[in-house]
Formats: sequence, C-alpha cells, structure tokens
Amino acid sequence: SQKIEQNSEALNIQEGKTATLTCNYTNYSPAYLQWYRQDPGRGPVFLLLIRENEKEKRKERLKVTFDTTLKQSLFHITASQPADSATYLCALGNNDMRFGAGTRLTVKP
Amino acid sequence: GAVVSQHPSWVICKSGTSVKIECRSLDFQATTMFWYRQFPKQSLMLMATSNEGSKATYEQGVEKDKFLINHASLTLSTLTVTSAHPEDSSFYICSAAPDPTGELFFGEGSRLTVL
Repeated sequence: SQKIEQNSEALNIQEGKTATLTCNYTNYSPAYLQWYRQDPGRGPVFLLLIRENEKEKRKERLKVTFDTTLKQSLFHITASQPADSATYLCALGNNDMRFGAGTRLTVKP
Repeated sequence: GAVVSQHPSWVICKSGTSVKIECRSLDFQATTMFWYRQFPKQSLMLMATSNEGSKATYEQGVEKDKFLINHASLTLSTLTVTSAHPEDSSFYICSAAPDPTGELFFGEGSRLTVL
C-alpha cells in the first residue's frame, strides 16, 4: 500500500539554525510533491511545489529537494525564526493529493 | 492567490441529525474539489474527490451514503454528514486548484462536534 512518512512527529531547534524535515514515500510514483504549512485549527497553506524532473527548488529561506530514486524529499528552512513554528506537511500528487502525517516544528528564541 | 471559502467554520449538532458543509472557489472555477478529514494531531485524510456534474469518487473505507457530496456547479461543492454520530466529530477541510497539477488552495476548515 502507498505510504508517506515524515521523519519525526516533532522537531525542536534554536532560532537561527536550519530546520531539515524529511518526507519518504513507498509504492508511489508522484508526478509532483508539495510542502504545506498548517497552523492549529487552520487549513494548510501552500509553500513549494517540485516536479518529478526537478532536483531542487528554492523560495526565500525555503529549499526543497526531490530524489525520485531514494523516494525522498527534504525540506529546509534556513535562518529559522520562532514565527516558523508550525506543522509542515508533505503531499504527493498525481490525480489527487495525499498527505504525510506532518512534522511539528518548534523554533525556540 | 486563489481563494477557497468554507462554511460553516464550526458546527455543533445532536446525534442523528445531518449537517451540510459548503466549499466555494471564489475566484476560479474548479471541476474538481477534494474533501479531507483531520482528527486531532493527525494528518489530512482524503475522503473523496468531488467532480462537477458527476459522482464523487470516495476513498476506501469512506461511506458514500453517510458522506454525501454534491458538486452542482464549478464553484460549489457540498459535503453532507448524514445521521451524524459523535465519532464523526472532526475537522473537515475542502480544497481546490485552478491548475489541476498545481498547488491546492484550502478552505479554513469546518469543525464538527456531534453531541
């Protein structure tokens, strides 16, 4: 069966450090992969999309990599800030979008 | 970015009653909308794909007679939870995309509490 696993349920880091979140998948060949941010009680908000033929995407302090051989995506937030504290979801898409369980990131001042 | 509006944002109902949740795309047309359910501290679980003008496609394990989906226009999909029970209490979120292979825009979610 298809599985999407995000490496840890929670990640705590110090302000200014780089946060690295992992998304692994099995039994799936997504055409694209997306990362979303979700704050408590709110709907997810789109951050980045990377397609299967792309290796890396950047947007401001965010960077995403996509390795279709390893079936893995890494999501980096550089120079992290307390305002980056949220749950981050990876989502895989073909005709629909399926989500990982999310990693709850806490950035401490 | 595109806007998806969901209503109501929260609802409390008695067991056995039915509840309707609306999802609207405000500034684009959506032939497809997605309905998700999220329990506390868990991820979004895809319940069904709503298709304008045709039947919804339900995920395995989701009862189509309990969760009625109607996608009557290119900007509106509704989810009706019929004969709601306490175990149906959850956070229901809809989403849609102007570009079928692009980012999803989510509604703000509807928190259902069944007493």
